[in-house]
Amino acid sequence: RKEVEQDPGPFNVPEGATVAFNCTYSNSASQSFFWYRQDCRKEPKLLMSVYSSGNEDGRFTAQLNRASQYISLLIRDSKLSDSATYLCVVNIGGNKLVFGAGTILRVKS
Amino acid sequence: GAVVSQHPSWVICKSGTSVKIECRSLDFQATTMFWYRQFPKQSLMLMATSNEGSKATYEQGVEKDKFLINHASLTLSTLTVTSAHPEDSSFYICSARVGGARGQPQHFGDGTRLSIL
Repeated sequence: RKEVEQDPGPFNVPEGATVAFNCTYSNSASQSFFWYRQDCRKEPKLLMSVYSSGNEDGRFTAQLNRASQYISLLIRDSKLSDSATYLCVVNIGGNKLVFGAGTILRVKS
Repeated sequence: GAVVSQHPSWVICKSGTSVKIECRSLDFQATTMFWYRQFPKQSLMLMATSNEGSKATYEQGVEKDKFLINHASLTLSTLTVTSAHPEDSSFYICSARVGGARGQPQHFGDGTRLSIL
C-alpha cells in the first residue's frame, strides 16, 4: 500500500465547476499535511497547508480528518489557470515529506 | 516570500560525466535542505536530507557515493551526480523549510532537468 494515495484522474471539468480531490495516508503518526500544485515540467508550489479545523483560501478549501487519515481539497468556480497536477503531501516526521502521485485537473472552456 | 533557487535548470551531457547541481536559499538561512528526484509521471521521491556542516542523510536505496551532497553554508547545498548514466536522467528538485517550527511547509527550487546521453 502506498503511503499517500490519490486518484490520478484526470478530472476534466468546465470552467466554473466545483471539483473535489481526495487523499488518504497510511502513517497515523503523520504530523502535517499540505496540498501542492505542480505545473507540467515545473517544481511543486505550495497551495495550502491542511488543518483538522479546515481552512479556506479564496476558492480553495482543504480539510483533514485524522481519524480517517483522509485529506481533501475543494476548488470552487474553477478557472482555466487551475489546470495542473495537485499533490497531496504528508510530513511523516523528521521533516520527511511523502508525496502522492498527484491528481491531474484539466479545466476547459 | 521564501525563494529557493536551483542551478542549472537543464543539463545534457554524455554518459560518465559528473554533474553538480546547486541549491540556494535566497532570502533565508536553511540549516536543512532536501533533495528529491522525480521520474516522468511519478511522484517526487526524497533522496537525501542535507544538513549544514555535517553529513547528509540518505534514503534507503540511494547510493551516497553516487549522489554526493555538500552543505557548506546556511544558504547553499550541492548535489553531484558522479559518473552519470542514462538511468540517472530525471528531474532533480531541492527544497528548504523556512523556520524551525513543526508543520512549516517546504519551498522548492525550480528544479534541474538532467538528461544523460
